[in-house]
Amino acid sequence: DAGITQSPRHKVTETGTPVTLRCHQTENHRYMYWYRQDPGHGLRLIHYSYGVKDTDKGEVSDGYSVSRSKTEDFLLTLESATSSQTSVYFCAISDTSWADTQYFGPGTRLTVL
Amino acid sequence: GENVEQHPSTLSVQEGDSAVIKCTYSDSASNYFPWYKQELGKGPQLIIDIRSNVGEKKDQRIAVTLNKTAKHFSLHITETQPEDSAVYFCAASLISGGYNKLIFGAGTRLAVHP
Repeated sequence: DAGITQSPRHKVTETGTPVTLRCHQTENHRYMYWYRQDPGHGLRLIHYSYGVKDTDKGEVSDGYSVSRSKTEDFLLTLESATSSQTSVYFCAISDTSWADTQYFGPGTRLTVL
Repeated sequence: GENVEQHPSTLSVQEGDSAVIKCTYSDSASNYFPWYKQELGKGPQLIIDIRSNVGEKKDQRIAVTLNKTAKHFSLHITETQPEDSAVYFCAASLISGGYNKLIFGAGTRLAVHP
């Protein structure tokens, strides 16, 4: 497996609370991504990063923000969690470009009550 | 918007049989098509990919075919084994905002019965 860890692996929180998920890589890859996975929807891109401090929105970015202050860390923040954000969140990395192989982390299961 | 359709959503086969999963994409500029396998409780893992300059690629029991004219590609698994049971996702590249990104199909749950 590529050197990707996600923390926490499981989290239960209440509506309205802020939540931060962390993705850490040891591969020194330039590109990092956050996806959410929901039944019937496959994987949908939330935000991505193409370098330190360089981030942009994906297709389902509303209610999420990201930060990347170091090559190895990419943080996903839910400013005020809602029940619709209950999902499994995956981080992915790739080396040279979007169309290069993306390697996925183990995922974080988030439940918003 | 751009999307990738994947069929079937579930597939059940007997051990030793072949399994075929099909995907269609809408962006004719797509040029990279990976397939991922996801086991329960784990992240997706790349099993094979194909680029638009080839029509077929094989890796042991797994093969992928691409028809750019029809905008569809397929995953073929031969001599299926119980450990092939998993959810499989296809994806297609899409250029957006100056960058390529991947659009994923909804997944196929494959069950291989001994």
